[in-house]
Amino acid sequence: DVKVTQSSRYLVKRTGEKVFLECVQDMDHENMFWYRQDPGLGLRLIYFSYDVKMKEKGDIPEGYSVSREKKERFSLILESASTNQTSMYLCASSYTGTEGNQPQHFGDGTRLSIL
Amino acid sequence: GESVGLHLPTLSVQEGDNSIINCAYSNSASDYFIWYKQESGKGPQFIIDIRSNMDKRQGQRVTVLLNKTVKHLSLQIAATQPGDSAVYFCAENFWMDSSYKLIFGSGTRLLVRP
Repeated sequence: DVKVTQSSRYLVKRTGEKVFLECVQDMDHENMFWYRQDPGLGLRLIYFSYDVKMKEKGDIPEGYSVSREKKERFSLILESASTNQTSMYLCASSYTGTEGNQPQHFGDGTRLSIL
Repeated sequence: GESVGLHLPTLSVQEGDNSIINCAYSNSASDYFIWYKQESGKGPQFIIDIRSNMDKRQGQRVTVLLNKTVKHLSLQIAATQPGDSAVYFCAENFWMDSSYKLIFGSGTRLLVRP
């Protein structure tokens, strides 16, 4: 089974802090993704990466950055946390198969509260 | 813009009955579709997928039907069990701006009555 592990289930930080959310996958997947999930807004893509050192902006990248130094690890960084970044953050990974697209597999999320 | 939506936000079924969760998609270029299950406090869990060259795919107790003519996707769960209670999302995948986009629906909550 695919295992996507997010380092924290719950996190409380203060406004202005720099926040790091870590995600590790154990299936040697090329593709990794960061989403946030908010009631009524569904899942929204923040950033994604198709390879080590590579990153692409998703639909809502403002206020975030990412790092992919190793294939198995994808970090989300809140440069200066704000209260509107209080949310559930979900990491996902997938591989690119020769037969076509493959499903993304998700971690259990980090519920982040910014006070 | 393109979007994925669900007809019913909440579905209540009797344990043992079959459940059908529907999803409408709007992008005719979508070529891959996925159903996810999300239980409270957990991340979305992959259930089943289907490519646009198919109209039906079966898994264990689940079947996904794809009707490209009317851009409709459904998830059928046979003999629904209490453990099936969760929010179910459909997602569509299409190529845009030099990358694949995966767009999620807002979700349907399935409640299983004992």
